[in-house]
Amino acid sequence: GDSVTQMEGPVTLSEEAFLTINCTYTATGYPSLFWYVQYPGEGLQLLLKATKADDKGSNKGFEATYRKETTSFHLEKGSVQVSDSAVYFCALRWDTGTASKLTFGTGTRLQVTL
Amino acid sequence: EPEVTQTPSHQVTQMGQEVILRCVPISNHLYFYWYRQILGQKVEFLVSFYNNEISEKSEIFDDQFSVERPDGSNFTLKIRSTKLEDSAMYFCASFRQGLGEQYFGPGTRLTVT
Repeated sequence: GDSVTQMEGPVTLSEEAFLTINCTYTATGYPSLFWYVQYPGEGLQLLLKATKADDKGSNKGFEATYRKETTSFHLEKGSVQVSDSAVYFCALRWDTGTASKLTFGTGTRLQVTL
Repeated sequence: EPEVTQTPSHQVTQMGQEVILRCVPISNHLYFYWYRQILGQKVEFLVSFYNNEISEKSEIFDDQFSVERPDGSNFTLKIRSTKLEDSAMYFCASFRQGLGEQYFGPGTRLTVT
C-alpha cells in the first residue's frame, strides 16, 4: 500500500541556517503531496502542496518540489527562524474523491535556537 | 479564522472503559475525519464521514469504534471498550470542497491505563 517516509528528528538548527527535511513516498501513480506543520498546542496546518510532478509548492519561505523520478517531496527553507520550531508532516492523497484521506509520515520535529 | 476544536485535550481512562472524543468541525464543512497518532508512529487515518454516514474506514476502525454527528455541530468518536494500544493522539479534521484542504483540530491525547 501507499506509504510516506520522513527523516527522523529532532532536527536542531541555529537561526538563519538552511533547512532540509527529507520525504519520500511509495505509491503506484502520482498522488498529490503535502506538507503540514503542527505548532505546539495547535492542530495540523497545511503548509504547502503540489498536485503533479515537477510542481513546486511554496509558503512562508518554505518550498518543496514534487520529484517523480526520486518519488520525493523534500521540504526546504533557506533561513529558519525560532518561530519555525514545530513538527512537520509529509503526506499524500489520491484525488479520486472529495472525501479522500491523507496518508502521513511520522513527522519530523524541528527545533531552532538563537 | 475558523478552526476545528476538540475536547478534551487530554483524557485518561482505564482499560475496558468507554470514551467519547468530541470535535466541533468548521460550521460550513461537509466532510469529517478522524486520524490518530500513536507516540512515535505515523499519523493514521481512521474514518471519514459525509452526509451522516461513513465514507471510508481503515482496518483500525473495527467494531469497537463508532462515529456520530449527534446534533449538526459536534462530531464524535466513541471507543466502546478501550485497550492499552488505543493510547494515542486523536485528530479530528473537516473539509468542504472548494474551500481549501482539510482543517485539523489540536488533538485529544488519550491515555489508557
